Amino acid sequence: EAEVAQSPRYKITEKSQAVAFWCDPISGHATLYWYRQILGQGPELLVQFQDESVVDDSQLPKDRFSAERLKGVDSTLKIQPAELGDSAMYLCASSQDQRGTEAFFGQGTRLTVV
Amino acid sequence: DAKTTQPTSMDCAEGRAANLPCNHSTISGNEYVYWYRQIHSQGPQYIIHGLKNNETNEMASLIITEDRKSSTLILPHATLRDTAVYYCIVRVHTTSGTYKYIFGTGTRLKVLA
Repeated sequence: EAEVAQSPRYKITEKSQAVAFWCDPISGHATLYWYRQILGQGPELLVQFQDESVVDDSQLPKDRFSAERLKGVDSTLKIQPAELGDSAMYLCASSQDQRGTEAFFGQGTRLTVV
Repeated sequence: DAKTTQPTSMDCAEGRAANLPCNHSTISGNEYVYWYRQIHSQGPQYIIHGLKNNETNEMASLIITEDRKSSTLILPHATLRDTAVYYCIVRVHTTSGTYKYIFGTGTRLKVLA
């Protein structure tokens, strides 16, 4: 069964360092989402891509976060510099974006900033 | 964006049906209701979705009221492995022609032995 792949699974980084997460969506899925989930809360949408284009980044802290999906397939989310408050689970999801379909989530990257 | 309201937590005895309610009073006519669950430290897992008719699959049933302002997810025979946080989501159609999934805080279901 096709899955959304994310790496790394866990990441520990020091405050002020740069960190990057990678996501490979299910083949053929045009829409890709990045979510952040703080412990005890529901996932919050950070950025949404349609193919290589950003269609929603209204909740992305653009002073330190960036996201790209250069060829419309896999995607990278970067934080520079990391802050203590960035400690969270970062989830990637993809979908075919048609009326009756669903989004599929990866297992996430657990980031700890120390 | 349409929002959902769910109870914070629920308990259910193993083997019994778990009925998880959700209110979505601001839902629009063409917006679907989706349910996902999240087991500790894993990504959300899709369960079921519907527009206005009741739906059933191998995991659960979804009952949507006629006015579409609320729904209930039913796990017919809950097991210990169903212990998770359950999210009710209204999938929003965006101006770019795509869909957006907005999560609330979910219901933490604990299945008791």
